[in-house]
Amino acid sequence: DTEVTQTPKHLVMGMTNKKSLKCEQHMGHRAMYWYKQKAKKPPELMFVYSYEKLSINESVPSRFSPECPNSSLLNLHLHALQPEDSALYLCASSSRQGNTGELFFGEGSRLTVL
Amino acid sequence: AQSVTQLGSHVSVSEGALVLLRCNYSSSVPPYLFWYVQYPNQGLQLLLKYTSAATLVKGINGFEAEFKKSETSFHLTKPSAHMSDAAEYFCAVTEPLGGSYIPTFGRGTSLIVHP
Repeated sequence: DTEVTQTPKHLVMGMTNKKSLKCEQHMGHRAMYWYKQKAKKPPELMFVYSYEKLSINESVPSRFSPECPNSSLLNLHLHALQPEDSALYLCASSSRQGNTGELFFGEGSRLTVL
Repeated sequence: AQSVTQLGSHVSVSEGALVLLRCNYSSSVPPYLFWYVQYPNQGLQLLLKYTSAATLVKGINGFEAEFKKSETSFHLTKPSAHMSDAAEYFCAVTEPLGGSYIPTFGRGTSLIVHP
């Protein structure tokens, strides 16, 4: 069982909708990540939060807006998306102490933009 | 800068045969190396990792990998494939970057297991 929980598992939205993806972890990890993954491709890094502060934004379009309300929660707010944004969105976390870069992934939220 | 090359986008084996998935890395500093597995419609799960201890690393589900610095390789093996091993496998490398470790993933290898 994954210790990183993502909701919803599936989301269908129109291009004018506003929706959010949620991620929660209770491992005490202080770094959290959003990745986008297309079919049969590796995950692409979108955002990294470290100690609840945005530390990396990989030039992601502003229609994706991350938020880290506290050390356990990570949200990704979606607005005015395009069909090409349809993908699996993965949340991950990692420990900051003795960090080697090992990531703990959630099962993902499958997004379809119509 | 770090990079990972996974040779072969698809590897096909018979059930019971040896599994060998290849990974070569490039890193300017001693790297940390990982293999992740992704089953259909799931997230990535860590199989095993090398963090500068023993060069032969054992992971879950009978997989192991050997770190060979001279060959800059970290190939994944399993003596006998099971049908349940069919999945996508990603090799990853990390280097310190601005105080955090951000992994670079290979393109992935799809393991197909035939009965």
